[in-house]
Amino acid sequence: EAGVAQSPRYKIIEKRQSVAFWCNPISGHATLYWYQQILGQGPKLLIQFQNNGVVDDSQLPKDRFSAERLKGVDSTLKIQPAKLEDSAVYLCASSSSGSSGNTIYFGEGSWLTVV
Amino acid sequence: GDSVTQMEGPVTLSEEAFLTINCTYTATGYPSLFWYVQYPGEGLQLLLKATKADDKGSNKGFEATYRKETTSFHLEKGSVQVSDSAVYFCALTQSYNTDKLIFGTGTRLQVFP
Repeated sequence: EAGVAQSPRYKIIEKRQSVAFWCNPISGHATLYWYQQILGQGPKLLIQFQNNGVVDDSQLPKDRFSAERLKGVDSTLKIQPAKLEDSAVYLCASSSSGSSGNTIYFGEGSWLTVV
Repeated sequence: GDSVTQMEGPVTLSEEAFLTINCTYTATGYPSLFWYVQYPGEGLQLLLKATKADDKGSNKGFEATYRKETTSFHLEKGSVQVSDSAVYFCALTQSYNTDKLIFGTGTRLQVFP
């Protein structure tokens, strides 16, 4: 079974530029997540989709971050304009829906450096 | 709000030593508890989980017991290997939002031959 695919793996941009990350979840998984992992910290949820609807985006900095999941499969996360503090690993994850203790599967992450 | 606290690393051990990584949590209700592992250059992988009090999760020689009375979920392994070197994250999902993982800051384990 293929895992969660993410691209690009690495990206270096200058502040105020824009960047986009792509994620393809495990086939059949209705729920998709984007997490931000800053160096030395645990991952923090940015946004959660159920099919193509947003379930939770309470920690997404909406003035610069946006995400979409058209057709309920692939997803893109965009940052515009980027700030230095956005340097982090952006993790995409997916799960089948809803029971307690549900397993969430993570991709390898997209490493962003803003200079 | 709900949170997870892990012991700071790095934890440095010799091969075949006993491992404990402490994890405590603060949560309302009855969360599920998880340990995830991140090997160098790889994504997070679920190591083990426990969904109710007194449950023991186990995998690859690692164990953790859900202790509600002490709000803890300490990770243990009787004999570590060099290949266990990684960053270990303790996490919980809230009882009212079973899909949202809340992570600790992670503990780096380094095992030397």
